[in-house]
Amino acid sequence: DGGITQSPKYLFRKEGQNVTLSCEQNLNHDAMYWYRQDPGQGLRLIYYSQIVNDFQKGDIAEGYSVSREKKESFPLTVTSAQKNPTAFYLCASRGILSGNTIYFGEGSWLTVV
Amino acid sequence: DAKTTQPTSMDCAEGRAANLPCNHSTISGNEYVYWYRQIHSQGPQYIIHGLKNNETNEMASLIITEDRKSSTLILPHATLRDTAVYYCIVRGISNFGNEKLTFGTGTRLTIIP
Repeated sequence: DGGITQSPKYLFRKEGQNVTLSCEQNLNHDAMYWYRQDPGQGLRLIYYSQIVNDFQKGDIAEGYSVSREKKESFPLTVTSAQKNPTAFYLCASRGILSGNTIYFGEGSWLTVV
Repeated sequence: DAKTTQPTSMDCAEGRAANLPCNHSTISGNEYVYWYRQIHSQGPQYIIHGLKNNETNEMASLIITEDRKSSTLILPHATLRDTAVYYCIVRGISNFGNEKLTFGTGTRLTIIP
């Protein structure tokens, strides 16, 4: 089945450690996005990528990094510089073949312990 | 992207039509209105989108006013599984250039048995 796969679903991190969240899509979509959601809040854009080897900062990029070496993959690294990383992270993608509608993965919960 | 305003919460009786309003008074001519919903701890699910004309699909109907400054999402026969947070978003459709899809805090719809 085509879709967006995020892993892991739940992740615990010690303070001071970097952690990488995986996002893979087999929809042949060009654009991919990372959002952060805090409890009871809306989604905030961290990074997005329109094409391979290119990405732009969103509204809250500080403390995060991304790469887009392959069309299918857009991993997000939460670095130790991110002061409050505990949140729900959502990956999304968009493509011409799906009418430019943005589709989301099921999300990853990150908790700093 | 244009900003949207939605009520914080709404209730609807099971089996009745749920009408969710959205104001987007600063929408520009090439921006579409999209609706998503999010059930707790899951990724947002695409519902419907439109530009000027009213739209209907198997999930919902979208009514856009003639001046395009507001819209209403209609769930014709609400069920308990429709309880979720509903997001109204406006965005342009482009394959290139910067695209910062902005989510507000949405409307928390509760279906009452």
